[in-house]
Amino acid sequence: EIVMTQSPVTLSVSPGERATLSCRASQTISTNLAWYQARRGQAPRLIIYSASTRATGVPDRFAGSGSGTDFTLTISRLQSEDYGVYYCQRYDNWPTFGQGTRVETK
Amino acid sequence: QMQLEESGGGVVQPGRSLTLSCVASGFPFSNYAMHWVRQNPGRGLEWVADVSRDGGTRYYGDSVEGRFTISRDNSKNTVDLQMNDVRVEDTGLYYCAKSMFSGSFHFDLWGRGTLVTVSS
Repeated sequence: EIVMTQSPVTLSVSPGERATLSCRASQTISTNLAWYQARRGQAPRLIIYSASTRATGVPDRFAGSGSGTDFTLTISRLQSEDYGVYYCQRYDNWPTFGQGTRVETK
Repeated sequence: QMQLEESGGGVVQPGRSLTLSCVASGFPFSNYAMHWVRQNPGRGLEWVADVSRDGGTRYYGDSVEGRFTISRDNSKNTVDLQMNDVRVEDTGLYYCAKSMFSGSFHFDLWGRGTLVTVSS
């Protein structure tokens, strides 16, 4: 079973600063990776798929990169609505998720 | 506007049954596979099950195989999850989710979830 590991667990960032989130797969998954944003009381939201393609309506301050086993989600110029928990997910086979990175206000 | 809305959660005793429902709107429901994904504090997000566009093919996660059944009704735009022989570890927030591309395993639309608590 491929394990998805996210780091850090918590990231403290001030508004307007950059946030860099990492996700590592225990085996190669090519670019079959998605990122989701989860905020309390709201439906999770697809941010990135195919490792680097922004989903419809996602602002260009969100950028995904990587392939194989190492992936990064970068949020430049963090805004108030960007705080929450971010999950990566592999979908080359049965979907599995990372444990999440919480982005909080510094 | 595309939307998914789950219902049916509640408190259930171990070993009993519960059925969750999800109603979809705003997109051609029968064109997409549908999924259930759950979240609990101990195991994070976990994919539970999916059903193909026509309902003929179903897949399950190892932890629910043989106990849960996913089904859909394309005439009503609904997808259900029948949960039998529930266990304490089935406790969590259950989300309905839509495949981004007909049968893909990533999800471009989620509901807000329905909470299931398994407790005696």
